[in-house]
Amino acid sequence: QVQLVESGGGVVQPGRSLRLSCAASGFTFNNYGMHWVRQAPGKGLEWVANIWSDGSNLYYRDSVEGRFTVSRDNSKNTVYLQMNSLRAEDTAVYYCAREIISETGTWNWLDPWGHGTLVTVSS
Amino acid sequence: DIQMTQSPSSLSASIGDRVTISCRASDRVYSYLNWYQQKPGKAPQLLIYATSKLQSGVPSRFRGTKSGTDFTLTIDSLQPEDLATYYCQQTYSTPPWTFGQGTKVEIK
Repeated sequence: QVQLVESGGGVVQPGRSLRLSCAASGFTFNNYGMHWVRQAPGKGLEWVANIWSDGSNLYYRDSVEGRFTVSRDNSKNTVYLQMNSLRAEDTAVYYCAREIISETGTWNWLDPWGHGTLVTVSS
Repeated sequence: DIQMTQSPSSLSASIGDRVTISCRASDRVYSYLNWYQQKPGKAPQLLIYATSKLQSGVPSRFRGTKSGTDFTLTIDSLQPEDLATYYCQQTYSTPPWTFGQGTKVEIK
């Protein structure tokens, strides 16, 4: 079945780096754009980054632009989120999610989502 | 960026009640509006896409509607398994794809 499994989370000091991975299975990975969404403890969902299926386009939320880099390795069915210069406000569960585009090419949504990996930025 | 404002932030209802959750966009998003359900301790799951289209396997008691830039998620006849937080998300144009703040639904 379609599955996304995140890894790489942990406790890191402010200013340090961390790389998250999201391993995909059960579908043709190189046909789908991928997204990262985060959720701070007790808070709502916050969209973070997107990479197109072929890696040709990348998008970021303003607060992570220049610090985070999304990439993918289609030969390994994996998407990454390299997080540099981490701040306390980056503390969150990070989810990866697959972007689905409707057959008409009109609508898009995220499905499924991984279980998430917790990143804690603290000294 | 387009802002999404959800209301209420939380609600408590009885089994069998009709529940409505609102989501307002700061600019036109047309019908590029999705709803997600997040049960406690779990990842979000898609409920409705393109304003009103039910994801496969979602019970028909869930409905999505739109009026201008105002969107509504309705749960007809609330069930115990509907205990969750619900988020709207706009996917109009290129990212950022913004979410509403969430509405926590509790059972009385």
